[in-house]
Amino acid sequence: NAGVTQTPKFQVLKTGQSMTLQCAQDMNHNSMYWYRQDPGMGLRLIYYSASEGTTDKGEVPNGYNVSRLNKREFSLRLESAAPSQTSVYFCASSDPVGQGFPGELFFGEGSRLTVL
Amino acid sequence: DQQVKQNSPSLSVQEGRISILNCDYTNSMFDYFLWYKKYPAEGPTFLISISSIKDKNEDGRFTVFLNKSAKHLSLHIVPSQPGDSAVYFCAASPFNQFYFGTGTSLTVIP
Repeated sequence: NAGVTQTPKFQVLKTGQSMTLQCAQDMNHNSMYWYRQDPGMGLRLIYYSASEGTTDKGEVPNGYNVSRLNKREFSLRLESAAPSQTSVYFCASSDPVGQGFPGELFFGEGSRLTVL
Repeated sequence: DQQVKQNSPSLSVQEGRISILNCDYTNSMFDYFLWYKKYPAEGPTFLISISSIKDKNEDGRFTVFLNKSAKHLSLHIVPSQPGDSAVYFCAASPFNQFYFGTGTSLTVIP
């Protein structure tokens, strides 16, 4: 059982280049998320998708776009990369537990992106 | 503005003693709280959660306490073990979003 799989694990970009981070989960979860982790900042939510066909902005959406391709896959795109987007990116998924609570997040191993 | 705060960036504890990690939140709409553990170069892994209808939840060596009136939660690890050395994040959720604190780096000294 792979859980949440992210690709690529490492990427170096030049300023202005574009790229897409891919994420897939095999747990049949409805909700998927993209976070970035920066030193001293913790994990900050970029975008999330509560269910297939929906996406919403999180805390730091500027400079990113997302696509919920199907229930399994949720991609994050940087159209014109900037050095401020150098970070470690984590994809996660979850499903509600009883009484309407959202349940735990299951994370991928992370994608380390460097923008020069 | 940080809605979930972990004011202690680091904590050192002797093996066998209790580790207490603290977390404060500002949004009264938060009703589900989680703790995650993270090792370097790995994704965070879930430890324990608590909903707003409870004030305590236990799972083995880990206990989470929630004080809704103070908007404060804490994670107790008893007894602490060297393998517990990691960064611990608390998270809070309203609806489908999860907001994380900045993390506390725990070092358990053998």
